[in-house]
Amino acid sequence: IAGITQAPTSQILAAGRRMTLRCTQDMRHNAMYWYRQDLGLGLRLIHYSNTAGTTGKGEVPDGYSVSRANTDDFPLTLASAVPSQTSVYFCASRAGQDTGELFFGEGSRLTVL
Amino acid sequence: GQNIDQPTEMTATEGAIVQINCTYQTSGFNGLFWYQQHAGEAPTFLSYNVLDGLEEKGRFSSFLSRSKGYSYLLLKELQMKDSASYLCAPLDSNYQLIWGAGTKLIIKP
Repeated sequence: IAGITQAPTSQILAAGRRMTLRCTQDMRHNAMYWYRQDLGLGLRLIHYSNTAGTTGKGEVPDGYSVSRANTDDFPLTLASAVPSQTSVYFCASRAGQDTGELFFGEGSRLTVL
Repeated sequence: GQNIDQPTEMTATEGAIVQINCTYQTSGFNGLFWYQQHAGEAPTFLSYNVLDGLEEKGRFSSFLSRSKGYSYLLLKELQMKDSASYLCAPLDSNYQLIWGAGTKLIIKP
């Protein structure tokens, strides 16, 4: 089944550790996004990529980095995790930056202690 | 700044009709999405409006008034499985979705 796969689905992490959340899509979508979702708040954009080889900062990029080496993969890295990064992280994709609806992965629940 | 307003929570009865309102202020506008999100799950696409008027899709309809910065989602013949959060998300001038906090809809028998 075509779609977006995120890994891990859940992780508990000690503060200060490095963590990479993986995201892979098989729909050949050009645009990909990372959001975090916290209770009572809307989805907040962390980083995005309109096409392979390019990335951009969203609303809350501090403490996170991304790369887009190819069309399918868009990993999100926390260089040194802090408790405020405890959240549910969603990867999403669209056919183009101005085309189509957003498809979401199942989410990665991250707890930083 | 950019702002999305939706009611935090609504309650409705199974079989009834409910309207979830959304007002927005964005820098530029390129359409508006509605998504459904069940607890613990990812958001899923419901509708997209770019022109004024009503778009009907089965039990769900979505309305847009660009001049008023206003949209609503209308759910008919409510079922228990419609209990979820409903997210309003306009597209700004950069085609980025701006997300509201969502409306939690509780359906009672």
